[in-house]
Amino acid sequence: EVQLVESGGGLAKPGGSLRLSCVASGFSVSHAWMSWVRQAPGKGLEWVGRTKVKSDGGTSEYGAPVKGRFTISRDDSKNIVYLQMNSLKTEDTAVYYCTTEGLASLACLDYWGQGTLVTVSS
Amino acid sequence: EIVLTQSPGTLSLSPGERATLSCRASQSVISTYFAWYQQKPGQAPRLLIYGASSRATGIPDRFSGSGSGTEFTLTISRLEPEDFAVYYCQHYGTSDTFGQGTKVEIK
Repeated sequence: EVQLVESGGGLAKPGGSLRLSCVASGFSVSHAWMSWVRQAPGKGLEWVGRTKVKSDGGTSEYGAPVKGRFTISRDDSKNIVYLQMNSLKTEDTAVYYCTTEGLASLACLDYWGQGTLVTVSS
Repeated sequence: EIVLTQSPGTLSLSPGERATLSCRASQSVISTYFAWYQQKPGQAPRLLIYGASSRATGIPDRFSGSGSGTEFTLTISRLEPEDFAVYYCQHYGTSDTFGQGTKVEIK
């Protein structure tokens, strides 16, 4: 069974940093494109970024609001994906979800974690 | 960047009724890269439909997706109590985008 468990959320100050982790089980992240999606309180879904597998270049892509501040990485040996968030802004406050991309169904976000809440406030 | 606009914002229906949700893209998209998700309060979103019309694993056949180009539709043939939720459309691409959501509420 595919499972994704996020952790690392909490309270951070504007300008600060946090690192989120997504522990995967039931599959190998080395074989999967992985994405992060966020949802601000009471709002809709916003794609944050993705990391591709090594065979597809191993590169990452990001949405405009976080480009240059957030970095997605992976540790294939531990089956973990990370989201490093720097220069945090109050508008980064959201629940952050880790997802698989196209693991079982083509071109979509097919498995989701339960999410971890990040609050950016002074 | 492709912008997705969902309508209506809220749909008030009774159990057993048919629900029709729309999603319009700002430019033509390839159907392969179009999906629908369901989100219930306090839960993570769940994939319903991918490739515009293929049901994800375990999704009941009362859910169906259709459309092409710039117009896509999610239909719930007969609403069950557990179907009252928020539904999002998504375009999968270099930069994924989501619609703003349609809330299906009990009338």
